[in-house]
Amino acid sequence: DAGITQSPRHKVTETGTPVTLRCHQTENHRYMYWYRQDPGHGLRLIHYSYGVKDTDKGEVSDGYSVSRSKTEDFLLTLESATSSQTSVYFCAISEAWTLNSPLHFGNGTRLTVT
Amino acid sequence: AQKITQTQPGMFVQEKEAVTLDCTYDTSDPSYGLFWYKQPSSGEMIFLIYQGSYDQQNATEGRYSLNFQKARKSANLVISASQLGDSAMYFCAMREGNSGTYKYIFGTGTRLKVLA
Repeated sequence: DAGITQSPRHKVTETGTPVTLRCHQTENHRYMYWYRQDPGHGLRLIHYSYGVKDTDKGEVSDGYSVSRSKTEDFLLTLESATSSQTSVYFCAISEAWTLNSPLHFGNGTRLTVT
Repeated sequence: AQKITQTQPGMFVQEKEAVTLDCTYDTSDPSYGLFWYKQPSSGEMIFLIYQGSYDQQNATEGRYSLNFQKARKSANLVISASQLGDSAMYFCAMREGNSGTYKYIFGTGTRLKVLA
């Protein structure tokens, strides 16, 4: 199994508070991704990173920011959490420079915004 | 823009029978890759099978095979001899090869229930 650790695994927070989710990998993969999973929507890409300090937006990036200061860590921040951001968040990694490189996923973080 | 469509929200199949899960895609990039993932009730995402747009043969991995019809832009997953452990959500995903964005886009998924 790919060495991907997401923390925390569960979090409950209040509307308006900042929240940071962490993804840590031990595979030295260049590409890292944050997705959210909601019923009826599948997995939607929030942001991804193609190298240290190199990030780009996905399909649902509003309200989220990311940072990658080291190859192994990719942080997702909700600056001011809203109830619509209640979701399961998955981090994924990939070698990605070859087309047949699959994503490998962490175990997810369940975030509830009350 | 790339898009993945899975039109079957849920499906049932009898144990030991084969089942096909549909996936259609849209892209203008001639180079792309298609992936299928399984998500059991425990929540982890498991990579199953890959098909490249230039691959001449349909991909197979054990009981999983891909019915790849390029002209129709479909990449259906076939599970043969279904087992109770195949009950899960299944997601189709795509990555374009020439866009330079390295994005993987997913469909909304199909929930498969295998009946004993």
